[in-house]
Amino acid sequence: DAGITQSPRHKVTETGTPVTLRCHQTENHRYMYWYRQDPGHGLRLIHYSYGVKDTDKGEVSDGYSVSRSKTEDFLLTLESATSSQTSVYFCAISATGLAGNTDTQYFGPGTRLTVL
Amino acid sequence: AQKVTQAQTEISVVEKEDVTLDCVYETRDTTYYLFWYKQPPSGELVFLIRRNSFDEQNEISGRYSWNFQKSTSSFNFTITASQVVDSAVYFCALSEGNNDMRFGAGTRLTVKP
Repeated sequence: DAGITQSPRHKVTETGTPVTLRCHQTENHRYMYWYRQDPGHGLRLIHYSYGVKDTDKGEVSDGYSVSRSKTEDFLLTLESATSSQTSVYFCAISATGLAGNTDTQYFGPGTRLTVL
Repeated sequence: AQKVTQAQTEISVVEKEDVTLDCVYETRDTTYYLFWYKQPPSGELVFLIRRNSFDEQNEISGRYSWNFQKSTSSFNFTITASQVVDSAVYFCALSEGNNDMRFGAGTRLTVKP
């Protein structure tokens, strides 16, 4: 158990509304990630963080923003949700003290988001 | 950018059969890391194994085994004597150590009693 929780676990929202998903970890890991999972695509990286206030874009970052004001929380925001953002969102952590990130990523339970 | 291909979208076997899940990867780096994850029907992602590019030794863990071949850029996963509890979606993933891990599309394995 990597001590990762995600909230909410399920959310239904309407097109054009803002949505924030939260990832919380209890083990002080430096790296945190947000992925989305869609049929036929596996998981794709949205954004990641390598420390408080340090974030970078992933493969599918358009339409998403993130924030990390403290080590334990990594927030994913959809400023104006669209139907194409209907997906399952997973948060992940990895612990590394090395340059770059070669450590295994462990995943939270996921958040199912539906945008109507 | 790196790429992972899992050509088998779905596989169905009968319990106790052996099954191999294929994973082919593309990368220009000489140092990289390969992973397998399991996603059971409950939806969580479970880490199974990580392999470094400089370690081609195959690995066995109970009924699970992994065959890493750099010559064919493959990292295949075999389940011996499959069980119903092995039914899940299995993902292969590749990291070049740059925080950009790429996943294959996944293979859905159904093990029938």
